[in-house]
Amino acid sequence: QKEVEQNSGPLSVPEGAIASLNCTYSDRGSQSFFWYRQYSGKSPELIMFIYSNGDKEDGRFTAQLNKASQYVSLLIRDSQPSDSATYLCAVRYGGGSEKLVFGKGTKLTVNP
Amino acid sequence: GAVVSQHPSWVICKSGTSVKIECRSLDFQATTMFWYRQFPKQSLMLMATSNEGSKATYEQGVEKDKFLINHASLTLSTLTVTSAHPEDSSFYICSARDTSGGRQWQFFGPGTRLTVL
Repeated sequence: QKEVEQNSGPLSVPEGAIASLNCTYSDRGSQSFFWYRQYSGKSPELIMFIYSNGDKEDGRFTAQLNKASQYVSLLIRDSQPSDSATYLCAVRYGGGSEKLVFGKGTKLTVNP
Repeated sequence: GAVVSQHPSWVICKSGTSVKIECRSLDFQATTMFWYRQFPKQSLMLMATSNEGSKATYEQGVEKDKFLINHASLTLSTLTVTSAHPEDSSFYICSARDTSGGRQWQFFGPGTRLTVL
């Protein structure tokens, strides 16, 4: 069974700090990795995606992928109160499948 | 670009009635759409994969006769919850994959909150 694990949190950081969100996955055949942000009562919105080992930066967000360790992370620099949300890690396992498997999400609170 | 809409955004119905939820890709064609369900404080659970012009593929444990999916065009998929009961109350979210330009990610609709009394 393909699984995606996240620390449910809550993770609380002060404004301006770096928030670090982690995710592990079970299947080595995984090909694509996504971070979605979900505000309460809303649907998820794509923040970052990463396919290759290493780091990928987009503004204040950096996704890190280590396929050998089956680990993907999201760093949020200069955290803002508006970043307070639940962050969902999603994995596309490949093999021709377009399905995503989601983790349970980590709730992040950025305190002013 | 890559906007997905859902209608209605919320619905309240009596137990035993059927509810239809529409999912539309507004500015792209989607041969595949996905239907998810999310209970409070839980993650998204994939219910089924909707394929244009063919039968939907349901995940294990999802009743195909209860959750009817129709993907009649490249921009529209519908989910009908038949004979809804209070335990079907949930947040239903659709997504579509925009493959233009080689993109591989799914765009989500705004969701439909279903409350069954």
